[in-house]
Amino acid sequence: GENVEQHPSTLSVQEGDSAVIKCTYSDSASNYFPWYKQELGKGPQLIIDIRSNVGEKKDQRIAVTLNKTAKHFSLHITETQPEDSAVYFCAAAIQGAQKLVFGQGTRLTINP
Amino acid sequence: KAGVTQTPRYLIKTRGQQVTLSCSPISGHRSVSWYQQTPGQGLQFLFEYFSETQRNKGNFPGRFSGRQFSNSRSEMNVSTLELGDSALYLCASSIQGAPDNEQFFGPGTRLTVL
Repeated sequence: GENVEQHPSTLSVQEGDSAVIKCTYSDSASNYFPWYKQELGKGPQLIIDIRSNVGEKKDQRIAVTLNKTAKHFSLHITETQPEDSAVYFCAAAIQGAQKLVFGQGTRLTINP
Repeated sequence: KAGVTQTPRYLIKTRGQQVTLSCSPISGHRSVSWYQQTPGQGLQFLFEYFSETQRNKGNFPGRFSGRQFSNSRSEMNVSTLELGDSALYLCASSIQGAPDNEQFFGPGTRLTVL
């Protein structure tokens, strides 16, 4: 399978709170899982990625966790700020088809 | 270091016409991938070029084609445009190639087909 499902489609949180976005994938051979942030009028920007031999990765306020058994991975943003407002996409590298498959995106809004 | 650049940024065409989009990757990157982004279908992979050779192709009709030059710049062509081809076309460059290495996206070309 080549599906990546992403939830929720929209997320609104208060500034300073945490935000969590979850994705599940179907290809058990997937080995690379990037997360992208897309602001209005711009292309997606890579914010963090994780490989299948690692369970968690953190970069300042952003962290990603991977559960290979359950085939799901999550993005965690702590101490959210207004500039975190954007659309976030998860993706999984599908080995058989040799392509990156994206989730449908999550529109994150940070309320001041 | 300059990022990925795409030209033109906006394009309006009519049905039946053809269009060519251009992408200049980050210096030193030999891989260029193209994606189509629409509200309904999201981000979908079109194809990847690495060192002037098409390595992978997504599930798009033959009207969508591309090429890569010796300086790694890439062009994408869509012939016989249809209304459904209206989309944001993104290219992404990578040092080692997609899909399991870092890809850096350009700002995209917004194509509108009337």
